[in-house]
Amino acid sequence: AQSVTQLGSHVSVSEGALVLLRCNYSSSVPPYLFWYVQYPNQGLQLLLKYTTGATLVKGINGFEAEFKKSETSFHLTKPSAHMSDAAEYFCAVTVGTSGSRLTFGEGTQLTVNP
Amino acid sequence: GAGVSQSPSNKVTEKGKDVELRCDPISGHTALYWYRQSLGQGLEFLIYFQGNSAPDKSGLPSDRFSAERTGGSVSTLTIQRTQQEDSAVYLCASSLDRITYEQYFGPGTRLTVT
Repeated sequence: AQSVTQLGSHVSVSEGALVLLRCNYSSSVPPYLFWYVQYPNQGLQLLLKYTTGATLVKGINGFEAEFKKSETSFHLTKPSAHMSDAAEYFCAVTVGTSGSRLTFGEGTQLTVNP
Repeated sequence: GAGVSQSPSNKVTEKGKDVELRCDPISGHTALYWYRQSLGQGLEFLIYFQGNSAPDKSGLPSDRFSAERTGGSVSTLTIQRTQQEDSAVYLCASSLDRITYEQYFGPGTRLTVT
């Protein structure tokens, strides 16, 4: 079975600072990895995904993530935080069983301070 | 085009009552998923539908939970004899097919059992 661990349930950064949200996965087969963002009282919005090919993937709103197989990691970064980035972020994995059912991490709440 | 819609957006019910939650997936999407988001358990998979195939019910927490998908489109999640631990946000997602890894989420139904 696959699993995801997000390090840090709360991350706080200053506006303009680097955003780094950590995600490590466990999977016995090649995984497909995702980052989703959730704003208050809303559903999940896909930020970016890694399926195959290039290990550095770019997503919406200036976010990117790098798949590192040797480190079993898929950390999310953004060079300069904006106030509108404040939200909860979820890392998720699927291995293609049960369709593409997702296994989620516990989430990281990002706070951006002015 | 229209996204995934869910109704009602909020539902308050008394313990022991039955509830029905509805999901309208994106038109043409053959795969449909239900997830539950709660404080104690995070985001967890409940059930997966693909076309006319038998659903994968492996995530349903008890036999009080059931779901159906009529005509390969609209889905209803039913919880019988609700308990306080059923209080959560129930999220529906759809994807184009079983091998398309990008899932589109609805806004969720917040269920409160009093």
